Amino acid sequence: LAKTTQPISMDSYEGQEVNITCSHNNIATNDYITWYQQFPSQGPRFIIQGYKTKVTNEVASLFIPADRKSSTLSLPRVSLSDTAVYYCLVAPEDSGAGSYQLTFGKGTKLSVIP
Amino acid sequence: SQTIHQWPATLVQPVGSPLSLECTVEGTSNPNLYWYRQAAGRGLQLLFYSVGIGQISSEVPQNLSASRPQDRQFILSSKKLLLSDSGFYLCAWSGIAHLATEAFFGQGTRLTVV
Repeated sequence: LAKTTQPISMDSYEGQEVNITCSHNNIATNDYITWYQQFPSQGPRFIIQGYKTKVTNEVASLFIPADRKSSTLSLPRVSLSDTAVYYCLVAPEDSGAGSYQLTFGKGTKLSVIP
Repeated sequence: SQTIHQWPATLVQPVGSPLSLECTVEGTSNPNLYWYRQAAGRGLQLLFYSVGIGQISSEVPQNLSASRPQDRQFILSSKKLLLSDSGFYLCAWSGIAHLATEAFFGQGTRLTVV
């Protein structure tokens, strides 16, 4: 399983765009990149998943360069309610290939300041 | 729709006492099931995962065990709790109707061993 590295913490003011980068130098060809959000005393919640280039949904955008050795989660115009821990995961998008081993790192603690 | 139930929400147990945490999933069949632990200020640690009834894989050696007596039931147990077993325990599931890397988490159990 590819190891991921993220900043431990980040601070941002309300209304700003936040970019959280994750490094995964050993990503495999069949690995996908997935991001989760976790609020205190709750389980993580799936945000977005991508393989390459750019993916966007109603919550965030995910940017993946051509070499796929890193990815950036972009949160537009954050609010206080976006204060949470954000996890980057790398795993195959195929249960038969072991994607059931969903391994979370320590994540990035985002603090949004009023 | 699918739901996951995990109980109890909080638990205080003395050292050396047994433990049983239960998790059930509704609305899906043959889910992959997971037990995670999150110690204070730390990331999520995958403890066990299961791809079917009676099929349990352990990620870390410890005095905890898991069982899957029914398709949608996952139980975390210990014969004798240690102080180091304190933490936030989360059950999760993933399934073929969703992305393999999209796991759905329960509300968690806050375990304090005293």
